Amino acid sequence: AQSVTQLDSQVPVFEEAPVELRCNYSSSVSVYLFWYVQYPNQGLQLLLKYLSGSTLVESINGFEAEFNKSQTSFHLRKPSVHISDTAEYFCAVTPYNQGGKLIFGQGTELSVKP
Amino acid sequence: NAGVTQTPKFRILKIGQSMTLQCAQDMNHNYMYWYRQDPGMGLKLIYYSVGAGITDKGEVPNGYNVSRSTTEDFPLRLELAAPSQTSVYFCASSPPNGRDSQYGYTFGSGTRLTVV
Repeated sequence: AQSVTQLDSQVPVFEEAPVELRCNYSSSVSVYLFWYVQYPNQGLQLLLKYLSGSTLVESINGFEAEFNKSQTSFHLRKPSVHISDTAEYFCAVTPYNQGGKLIFGQGTELSVKP
Repeated sequence: NAGVTQTPKFRILKIGQSMTLQCAQDMNHNYMYWYRQDPGMGLKLIYYSVGAGITDKGEVPNGYNVSRSTTEDFPLRLELAAPSQTSVYFCASSPPNGRDSQYGYTFGSGTRLTVV
């Protein structure tokens, strides 16, 4: 079985400051890893994913996440946040070749203040 | 626009009433899913389907039923609504071929259900 733990339920930060949203997972098999973003009153959108290869993955809007297999982590970072990054962020995993079910963490609410 | 369409967007039910949440996708995805989202709990899988005629339980199936008669549609049925089913429900789909999960899911915009 797999589980995902997002270590912070809420992260308040000032505009242009750096931010890190932490995600740890537990799995007895190899997994694919994802970060999803949910803007207020909307559905979830894929932000970035790790499938294989380079352990550092980037999104088009400046976020990046690094897969650390030894620490079973997939933390999300951005060097300088904007007001528009205010949203809830979900870390998720799915095991290799096991039907594609996503297992989500509890979510981290990022609040960017001016 | 191609994607996942959920209806209705909002609904208030009385305890004991029944309803069906509709979900349709036009991307020819084999896999479809129903999740519920509760504050501080993330998303929990209710039911999923790997193709027409095939459904299976997820983590929290009690109180719900599904059917998958076509590739496009995956309705979720609540037979006897209870206050514990107050939640936001999301339908999602993922692409065909064996390693669907690599590409992430496409989510609908959600149905906010309140049971009173």
